[in-house]
Amino acid sequence: GENVEQHPSTLSVQEGDSAVIKCTYSDSASNYFPWYKQELGKRPQLIIDIRSNVGEKKDQRIAVTLNKTAKHFSLHITETQPEDSAVYFCAASNSGGSNYKLTFGKGTLLTVNP
Amino acid sequence: DAEITQSPRHKITETGRQVTLACHQTWNHNNMFWYRQDLGHGLRLIHYSYGVQDTNKGEVSDGYSVSRSNTEDLPLTLESAASSQTSVYFCASSRDRDLTEAFFGQGTRLTVV
Repeated sequence: GENVEQHPSTLSVQEGDSAVIKCTYSDSASNYFPWYKQELGKRPQLIIDIRSNVGEKKDQRIAVTLNKTAKHFSLHITETQPEDSAVYFCAASNSGGSNYKLTFGKGTLLTVNP
Repeated sequence: DAEITQSPRHKITETGRQVTLACHQTWNHNNMFWYRQDLGHGLRLIHYSYGVQDTNKGEVSDGYSVSRSNTEDLPLTLESAASSQTSVYFCASSRDRDLTEAFFGQGTRLTVV
């Protein structure tokens, strides 16, 4: 089955700096890669996603890049703010395939220091 | 508004007891999933369902079961609760095969003593 590795497990940045979280996946059939943000005590919520036919996607201060050949994808957050502090999860799936389900990385605790 | 809700939000039970966690969604989504969240392990898939009468095992299914008798509900049963099953449980649902609208419930914190 799919295996998703996520690094780093913790990340601390100063407000205004950029943050990058990286994930690798094992199943070459995976074609859908969402990122979820989970604030303390809350449910995970989708913040951005990318499909395998696209190399990069941006939404204001967040962007995701995908390298299918190397089987890795990354989340980039620019101009970080204290409210960006949360746990971020990457995931991978064979969306549309016969066995489509989200496999998650172990998460990255991002702390943005004012 | 459509939503996905879990109950109870908190539960304390004794080792060996049977426990059922409820998940109800009004999105009319075909796909429903149960995950457990533990420190250092992220979100691990327990069971999932692609529709009524369909259930599948995830990576950590031992000791758990689910049934899908209608579109809205996917209850998770712990047959004989163990301390290792102390965790936060999240239910999620998504529309069809594209998974682009996967929504999570608020979570259930289960403690087995």
